[in-house]
Parts: sequence; structure tokens; C-alpha cells
Amino acid sequence: GDSVTQMEGPVTLSEEAFLTINCTYTATGYPSLFWYVQYPGEGLQLLLKATKADDKGSNKGFEATYRKETTSFHLEKGSVQVSDSAVYFCARNSGGSNYKLTFGKGTLLTVNP
Amino acid sequence: ETGVTQTPRHLVMGMTNKKSLKCEQHLGHNAMYWYKQSAKKPLELMFVYNFKEQTENNSVPSRFSPECPNSSHLFLHLHTLQPEDSALYLCASSQGSQGWPQHFGDGTRLSIL
Repeated sequence: GDSVTQMEGPVTLSEEAFLTINCTYTATGYPSLFWYVQYPGEGLQLLLKATKADDKGSNKGFEATYRKETTSFHLEKGSVQVSDSAVYFCARNSGGSNYKLTFGKGTLLTVNP
Repeated sequence: ETGVTQTPRHLVMGMTNKKSLKCEQHLGHNAMYWYKQSAKKPLELMFVYNFKEQTENNSVPSRFSPECPNSSHLFLHLHTLQPEDSALYLCASSQGSQGWPQHFGDGTRLSIL
């Protein structure tokens, strides 16, 4: 079945450090891929998405490239800020007309000043 | 303002109580979802509604009863809950088709005494 595996946290970085959060997905169907972010006390917000192989999603300095050959969608940011501290979720849909999302377990990121 | 509004934000109830969670979306979407978010567990999809029709019930116990009177409103009726049902309950909506992201509310934090 569909599944998403992302690196376990927590991840702790200093401000302006480089961030990578790894995500891989099962290669079933033709999914769209998403990164969501959850700030403390809030719901999930869409951060970026990619709908086909080699697409790059980007938003707020974050980027992720849909790599079909490695079934990966790693999240990167060149210089993190304290305000980026949150839980990050990788997700895929089931493809086709089924719009069910499968989420990874989430990675807690803490950025220290 | 997320476009998806959930009430109440916090709810404390006893195991014999009956209460309802409400979700309203102002985005013109046709699909709505209930998720359960527990500590240290992946996000669990509970129910999916598309154009007011339930299309997914992810083996959810009958003490959770969803209702979708129209495409903009979704309820989760609760009765005779157990302590393990304490969690953050998230509502989401989407346009439904592949590639369209889900938009989440801020959730209802439910505590069962």
C-alpha cells in the first residue's frame, strides 16, 4: 500500500544553518507529493507541493524536488530561522481520482538563536 | 485565517457525555475530512466526504459518528468515548482532484476524563 517514511526527529539547528529533512515514498501509482508544516497550537499548513517527476516545489525559502528514480522528496532550506521551528510532515496522495493523503510521522525541528 | 474553522478549540468531557465537533470551510471545496492526531503517531484519516457523501470510513469505532449536511459543514458526534480517544482532531477540505492540497483547520484538542 501507500506509505511515506521521513526521518525521525527531533532535529535541532542553529539559526542560519542548512536544513535537510529526508522523505521517501512507496512507488505505487502516480502520486502528488506535499510538505506540510504545523506550528505549535495550530493545524497543518501546506508548505509546498509537486505533482510530477522532476517538479520542484518551493515556498518561503524551502524547496523539495520530486525524484522518481529514488522515490524521494527531501525538504531543504539554505538558512533556517527561529520562526521555522515546527513539525514538518511529508505526504503523498493515492493518485488517480482518489484524493486520500498518506502522511509521514512528522519531524520536529527546533531552531535556536 | 485558514479558511477552515473548527469549534470548539478545546473540549474536556467525561466518558458518558455526548458532544459534537464542528468544522466549516469557506473555500468552496467539495471534499471534507476528519483526522485524528495523537502524540507520537502518524496522522490518522478517519472519514472522507465528497459532495456530502461519505466515501471513506477508516475502521473508526462507532462511538465516532460523522455528519455532513452540506459541502461546507462537517460534524463529528462523540459519545461514550474512551481515554485513548484524547487527541487533536483536525478537519480538512480540498477541491478533491489529484494534486489539489488539503487545507486544515486548527483542530479541536479533546481530553477525555
